Amino acid sequence: NAGVTQTPKFQVLKTGQSMTLQCAQDMNHEYMSWYRQDPGMGLRLIHYSVGAGITDQGEVPNGYNVSRSTTEDFPLRLLSAAPSQTSVYFCASRSWGEGSRNYGYTFGSGTRLTVV
Amino acid sequence: EDKVVQSPLSLVVHEGDTVTLNCSYEVTNFRSLLWYKQEKKAPTFLFMLTSSGIEKKSGRLSSILDKKELFSILNITATQTGDSAVYLCAVGNTDKLIFGTGTRLQVFP
Repeated sequence: NAGVTQTPKFQVLKTGQSMTLQCAQDMNHEYMSWYRQDPGMGLRLIHYSVGAGITDQGEVPNGYNVSRSTTEDFPLRLLSAAPSQTSVYFCASRSWGEGSRNYGYTFGSGTRLTVV
Repeated sequence: EDKVVQSPLSLVVHEGDTVTLNCSYEVTNFRSLLWYKQEKKAPTFLFMLTSSGIEKKSGRLSSILDKKELFSILNITATQTGDSAVYLCAVGNTDKLIFGTGTRLQVFP
């Protein structure tokens, strides 16, 4: 009963460091996405993917890279961390396609990132 | 530009009160509207609405969608302190899920 697994749960980075937030799902969902949540801002979409080898930008993509080499994994890379990237990051997945009747999303438990 | 607007931003009530949370949207290629409850961690799913006028209920919570007027409401009757949370409305289209900023509900005994 894993669902969507995010690691790490907490991370502190220094400005300029790089790191990768991991997201894995075991539901064979084609669609995966990354959101960040800041106080008073709701959740904002960073990047998303509709299948292996396909990624696209969301609302706030700058400073982040993604790749999708497998259906299960969708890592988010911070190339050079900045204090403005201090946030809580959520990964979410769902099934995809015209035949899909399930538009409900499954969320990971989140990664709290602090950049100092 | 796609947007989802929730109101009020914040609500303080006493146990036993009934509350109505509002969500309006302008989103291209609408597929579904979802309500989530968020306490200190990840959002937890409450309802998914795809058709107008059909009320969904779960215990003291209910929700309805109006696709003509582009809004949804979430009702909570006989509120309890455990209902205290941020309630998020999100609209899904073919590509993504667009969130509102949420309504923070505080229920006092």
